[in-house]
Amino acid sequence: QVQLVESGGGVVQPGGSLRLSCAASGFTFNTYGMNWVRQAPGKGLEWVTFIRYDGSNKYYADSVKGRFTISRDNSKNTLYLQMTSLRVEDTAVYYCARAVRSGDLDYWGQGTLVTVSS
Amino acid sequence: DIQMTQSPSSLSASVGDRVTITCRASQGIRNDLGWYQQKPGKAPKRLIYAASSLQSGVPSRFSGSGSGTEFTLTISSLQPEDFATYFCLQHNSYPRITFGQGTRLEIK
Repeated sequence: QVQLVESGGGVVQPGGSLRLSCAASGFTFNTYGMNWVRQAPGKGLEWVTFIRYDGSNKYYADSVKGRFTISRDNSKNTLYLQMTSLRVEDTAVYYCARAVRSGDLDYWGQGTLVTVSS
Repeated sequence: DIQMTQSPSSLSASVGDRVTITCRASQGIRNDLGWYQQKPGKAPKRLIYAASSLQSGVPSRFSGSGSGTEFTLTISSLQPEDFATYFCLQHNSYPRITFGQGTRLEIK
């Protein structure tokens, strides 16, 4: 069965950095695009970034462009999100999610909490 | 960006009730919409894709309809395990997808 397991969340000070990981299993990872989506406390969901199946193209929300970097290691079935220059407003649960060809997200992980606070 | 307006934001209902949740898109999105269920601490679960297609393994009491700018999720007869938060996702502007704000379904 498809499984996506995020890790790497924690507490970080404003201006700090953090790297999230998403370990994928149960499917052929190198044939699917992948996303990061976040949800701030008490707020709705916000798409953060997408990477194509082969890493050839990456897209970012304006709110994180220039600060966050998505990448993947298809040999390790793992997706990453490198977050730098973190702000208080980046505090959220971060989910990785698999994209089907149409762009819909069919499987999600349980999320990892990132708290940016001094 | 395509804005998704979801209503209501919260809903109280009883076991056995029929409930409907609506998402409206700020512009036409064909049928590029999915519905999801989210429970605290769990991964969101897709219920409906392509606006009206039932995800494999999802009970038939869940149904979706709509096209263009207006979409609905209907639960025909609420079960105890259905009390959760529901949200819609539009992927017409893929990869820049957007979400409804969510509907919290509570027990009356």
